[in-house]
Amino acid sequence: QVHLQESGPRLVKPSETLSLTCTFSGGSISSFYWSWIRQPAGKGLEWIGRISTSGGTRYNPFLKSRLTMSVDTSKNQFSLSLISVTAADTAVYYCARAEPDTANFDSWGQGILVTVSS
Amino acid sequence: EIVLTQSPGTLSLSPGERATLSCRASQSVRSSYLVWYQQKPGQAPRLLIYGTSSRATGIPDRFSGSGSGTDFTLTISRLEAEDFAVYYCQQYDTSPQTFGQGTKVEIK
Repeated sequence: QVHLQESGPRLVKPSETLSLTCTFSGGSISSFYWSWIRQPAGKGLEWIGRISTSGGTRYNPFLKSRLTMSVDTSKNQFSLSLISVTAADTAVYYCARAEPDTANFDSWGQGILVTVSS
Repeated sequence: EIVLTQSPGTLSLSPGERATLSCRASQSVRSSYLVWYQQKPGQAPRLLIYGTSSRATGIPDRFSGSGSGTDFTLTISRLEAEDFAVYYCQQYDTSPQTFGQGTKVEIK
């Protein structure tokens, strides 16, 4: 059974870096696209970016200057790094899987609430 | 970016009733790239419909999607208790992919 799990610090100080990891189990990480999506409390969904297992990335232009994603196929993990965070980056962060060349997110992690506060 | 506007914001209906949810795009979206999700409180979204009208694995046939161009619809033919949730449409025809703001289907 496919399972995704987000992990990382739940509290980040303003101007610092938000780093999260998503661990995938229940299959091979290969041959899928892996995305990060976030949701501020009480609000809608925002796509952050995606990475393929070959390392190719596509980022939301609104976050591109602050964003880096990476993948470690040997560990079935992919990661997110968002620099210079502000309170506006406070949200539940989800990792999700999609078939190649699609953004039909058929598997999601449970989400992790990250708060940016001093 | 393409802005998706969902209406109504909230839909108050009784179990057994029909729900019709609208998703309007600020520019044309190819049908293959329009998706619907369901989200319940405290849970991640769940894929319902992809390619405008194809049901995802395990989704009951009371859920259906239709539309083209800038106007898309999610229909729930007869609401069941577990269908009361928030529904989001999503497009990935044009980068960046975007989501609508959601329609909440609540019990009347």
